[in-house]
Amino acid sequence: AQKVTQAQTEISVVEKEDVTLDCVYETRDTTYYLFWYKQPPSGELVFLIRRNSFDEQNEISGRYSWNFQKSTSSFNFTITASQVVDSAVYFCALSEASTGGTSYGKLTFGQGTILTVHP
Amino acid sequence: DADVTQTPRNRITKTGKRIMLECSQTKGHDRMYWYRQDPGLGLRLIYYSFDVKDINKGEISDGYSVSRQAQAKFSLSLESAIPNQTALYFCATSVTNTGELFFGEGSRLTVL
Repeated sequence: AQKVTQAQTEISVVEKEDVTLDCVYETRDTTYYLFWYKQPPSGELVFLIRRNSFDEQNEISGRYSWNFQKSTSSFNFTITASQVVDSAVYFCALSEASTGGTSYGKLTFGQGTILTVHP
Repeated sequence: DADVTQTPRNRITKTGKRIMLECSQTKGHDRMYWYRQDPGLGLRLIYYSFDVKDINKGEISDGYSVSRQAQAKFSLSLESAIPNQTALYFCATSVTNTGELFFGEGSRLTVL
C-alpha cells in the first residue's frame, strides 16, 4: 500500500523568509509519480508540479523549488522569499504507475501542511 | 467557465436524507474521481471511474454510491446521510498517462 506523510501540520513564517514543506512517501512500486497541490483560502486545488520517479533532477520555478530524493523517499517543497499570497494548505500526493510510465490514476494524498505567511 | 463543475456548491441536510452531488467536465478526460477532504486527513478517494463502464471503490466507499451517466458526468450519492459525512467533496478528472488531477471547485456538505 502507498502512503504519504506530511509531518508538519502547520507552519508560520514572516514574509520574505524561506520555508520548506516536507513530504515522505512509501510505495512498493518502482514507477510512480509525485505531485504537489496548493489549496488557497478560496478552497480550490491548484496543481503545482508532477515528478516521475525516474527523474531525480531538482526543479525550480520562480520562487518555488522541489527536492526529490529517492534514497530517503522524500519530495520536499521550498518557497524562497515567502509572500502573504503563499498562505495556503499544501498537499503532497503519490500515484503508482506501470513500468511503461502510465499512471494508475489514483492519487494518495498526505494530510496537508497549513502555511501561514505573516506580513 | 470551469472545466470541472460541481453542483451543489453548498448543501445542508439532515441525517437520513438522500443526497446527490453532481459533477460534469468539459476536459474530455475518461478518468473521473470523487475525493473527500477532512481537516487533518487530507483528501481520501471515495470512488473512481476510468470509463463509462468502469466503476471502482476507493479507500472510503462505505455509505456512498456513484453513477457514471456519460463520459462527462459522474455523480456521487449518499443514500442515507449521517453527520460524519460532513466534509468537503471534490470531483476530479485526470489525464490517462500522467495522472495529474484537475479538480472541481468542491461541494461543502453539512449533515445535521
